[in-house]
Amino acid sequence: GAVVSQHPSWVICKSGTSVKIECRSLDFQATTMFWYRQFPKQSLMLMATSNEGSKATYEQGVEKDKFLINHASLTLSTLTVTSAHPEDSSFYICSAGRRGQRPYEQYFGPGTRLTVT
Amino acid sequence: QKEVEQNSGPLSVPEGAIASLNCTYSDRGSQSFFWYRQYSGKSPELIMFIYSNGDKEDGRFTAQLNKASQYVSLLIRDSQPSDSATYLCAVSNFGNEKLTFGTGTRLTIIP
Repeated sequence: GAVVSQHPSWVICKSGTSVKIECRSLDFQATTMFWYRQFPKQSLMLMATSNEGSKATYEQGVEKDKFLINHASLTLSTLTVTSAHPEDSSFYICSAGRRGQRPYEQYFGPGTRLTVT
Repeated sequence: QKEVEQNSGPLSVPEGAIASLNCTYSDRGSQSFFWYRQYSGKSPELIMFIYSNGDKEDGRFTAQLNKASQYVSLLIRDSQPSDSATYLCAVSNFGNEKLTFGTGTRLTIIP
């Protein structure tokens, strides 16, 4: 149980275009989903936390107008990178968790590698 | 500023030996501690978590927590080449779902 999927697994887009990444919890209801970004040889950096039906909470330094997050249902969250630039090229990973679970565990998706040309 | 520190490595260990990975954290309010393994190009996978002082064993892995020293470690016994990966330490506070990750330690098991 506790499987999280991401789509697409990799994407190449041109500078200035927008890209949408989907994160789905396949066998449980995710009350909270998290979006991370990981640059080569660096650790995971939390971008934002989203709760179903409410606005995402962004970490300091993350542009909310550039990284649009929607968590419309308990099994789906999307991250849209708007007006992508080469510096947005990174490995984007989502995770999902269930409220009330102790200790609170995040289940990670397989990640989406974004390359902006 | 919550910080989680790890030795970035690389840490090289002969096959069959014990690999010891260390992590320190700055926030005394941290309650839950996680060890993740991440292979190159893949997302992290949970190895184990610990939230009580002392040792917790799961197969070849043992997590050790010392809250007084703000220190958590992971021991890997009988290291295998397949254990070669980056190991991430992560901490969270009770009631806070967010994880703060360390920078990770790159472990190489030498056959």
